Amino acid sequence: GNSVTQMEGPVTLSEEAFLTINCTYTATGYPSLFWYVQYPGEGLQLLLKATKADDKGSNKGFEATYRKETTSFHLEKGSVQVSDSAVYFCALSDVGDDKIIFGKGTRLHILP
Amino acid sequence: DTAVSQTPKYLVTQMGNDKSIKCEQNLGHDTMYWYKQDSKKFLKIMFSYNNKELIINETVPNRFSPKSPDKAHLNLHINSLELGDSAVYFCATRGADYSPLHFGNGTRLTVT
Repeated sequence: GNSVTQMEGPVTLSEEAFLTINCTYTATGYPSLFWYVQYPGEGLQLLLKATKADDKGSNKGFEATYRKETTSFHLEKGSVQVSDSAVYFCALSDVGDDKIIFGKGTRLHILP
Repeated sequence: DTAVSQTPKYLVTQMGNDKSIKCEQNLGHDTMYWYKQDSKKFLKIMFSYNNKELIINETVPNRFSPKSPDKAHLNLHINSLELGDSAVYFCATRGADYSPLHFGNGTRLTVT
């Protein structure tokens, strides 16, 4: 079946550091890939998405590239801020499937 | 104007009680979901409805019963609450295929 694996947290970085959160997936078809962010006490919000191979999703300084050859969708940001502290979820949605599969989430702490 | 709203935000109750959580959306989306998030932030899909029809029913105990009176509402009723039901429950909606989920802010259920 389809699945998403993302790096375990928590990840703790200093402000302005470079961020990478790894995400790999298995899927039977050609899924769309998503990153969601959850701030404390809130629901998940879409951060970025990519719908086909080699697409790059970007938003708020975050980027992720859909790599079919490595089945990956790693999240990156060049310079993190304290306000980026949250839980980040990688997710996929396969063709004709109403179910969106989430990774286990990675908690990110940014220190001032 | 909140797109996906859940009530109540917090629910504290005793074991054995029956409770309901309500979800309403004003996005005009056809598909609505219930997700359960445990204390480690792991998200598990429970149910999905499309135009009032149940399309996803994961291995959830029979004590959980979703009801969709119309396309804009999806409620979750839980009978005979148990300690293990304590979690945050999220309602989410989705438009067309491959479009991202829109989440409510969650209902934190605590069973004592």
